[in-house]
Amino acid sequence: QVQLQESGPGLVKPSETLSLTCSVSGASVSNYHWSWIRQPPGKGLEWIAYLTRSGDTIYNPSLSSRVAISLDTSKNQVSLKMTSVTAADTAMYYCARGAVAILNYWGQGILVTVSS
Amino acid sequence: QSVLTQPPSVSAATGQKVTISCSGSGSNIGNDYVSWYQQLPGAAPKLLLYENDQRPSGIPARFSGSKSGMSATLDITGLQTGDEADYYCGAWDTSLRSVVFGGGTRLTVL
Repeated sequence: QVQLQESGPGLVKPSETLSLTCSVSGASVSNYHWSWIRQPPGKGLEWIAYLTRSGDTIYNPSLSSRVAISLDTSKNQVSLKMTSVTAADTAMYYCARGAVAILNYWGQGILVTVSS
Repeated sequence: QSVLTQPPSVSAATGQKVTISCSGSGSNIGNDYVSWYQQLPGAAPKLLLYENDQRPSGIPARFSGSKSGMSATLDITGLQTGDEADYYCGAWDTSLRSVVFGGGTRLTVL
């Protein structure tokens, strides 16, 4: 049974860096592709990035200058860092297994609010 | 403004059939596969269909999909109250080099 669990701060100040972790059980992170997606309150899905099992990273061009996705194979985790956050980054953040548009396992999500 | 266009809402009675459309362009739907996701209230999205019409294990045959040109459709037959959810289409856009989603369609089962 593959399970994903996002963790990180629920509140981040504007201009600071958001760091999120996705802990994976039931699958080795090094064997699959991984993605991050977000959903502002009451709105639709926005893809952020994906990391292939071969180590290639693809970022949403609108966010690429501020985000980085990485793996920690020793902890079986996927991470997301987003710099210089603003209120527009307030959203539910999901990690998911898969890449491109085929995301077959999702975490429950973590709500991140950007506010001073 | 979403790259893929979906109707904001659809509704149908229990037991009936509903169709949700997803319209794109030659750089996304016209050039690649479409996936569909179901998001129940308060839950994370769940993969419903991939590669236009393929169902992951555990997804009932009541859910089916198709693609023609630059549009795709999700059909749900034998509607149940538990199908009330938001449905999203998604695809890779070769011009934007980005995964793009539709704005979502809220299904109401009457």
